[in-house]
Amino acid sequence: SQKIEQNSEALNIQEGKTATLTCNYTNYSPAYLQWYRQDPGRGPVFLLLIRENEKEKRKERLKVTFDTTLKQSLFHITASQPADSATYLCALPPPSGSARQLTFGSGTQLTVLP
Amino acid sequence: EAGVTQSPTHLIKTRGQQATLRCSPISGHTSVYWYQQALGLGLQFLLWYDEGEERNRGNFPPRFSGRQFPNYSSELNVNALELEDSALYLCASTLRGRTGELFFGEGSRLTVL
Repeated sequence: SQKIEQNSEALNIQEGKTATLTCNYTNYSPAYLQWYRQDPGRGPVFLLLIRENEKEKRKERLKVTFDTTLKQSLFHITASQPADSATYLCALPPPSGSARQLTFGSGTQLTVLP
Repeated sequence: EAGVTQSPTHLIKTRGQQATLRCSPISGHTSVYWYQQALGLGLQFLLWYDEGEERNRGNFPPRFSGRQFPNYSSELNVNALELEDSALYLCASTLRGRTGELFFGEGSRLTVL
């Protein structure tokens, strides 16, 4: 089964700086990868999806990269704000042809300090 | 458009009891997923329903079960509750066959005493 590793510790950064979160996976290479945001006690909210043939994807202050050689995705938040404080989860689908449920990483807790 | 709704928001049970959690997907969504998130841990896949059928289940004992109704709403049942079943239970829906995003509800917090 797929093993997903995200930044093992919480990440604290200063407001205005760029936050960079890491998602590493082992075993098979997924067809795509997703990032979600989760606030305490609430359900995750979808942010971005990047496909295996895409190197980079952007949405407003968010940027995701996908390196299938390194088996890694990087998630960047530029000009970070305290409101960006949350846990960020990466999620991968199963191998092609099998069941469709996503496997989630354990998440990285980001705190943006004012 | 209404999002995914889950009920109850909070539920307190004692060991050995049974819990029933409910989920209404977004209108038009036929796939429903259930995940368990224990405190401080990641999301663990429980069950996937699509078009009224159970399509896949995660590595959980048989006392975790559920069903999907003709209107695509879903129910998760947990029998013989144990203390370690205390968790946030999340339901998510999506369009059948889509590889896009999952739409999550706000979850049902189950506490087993």
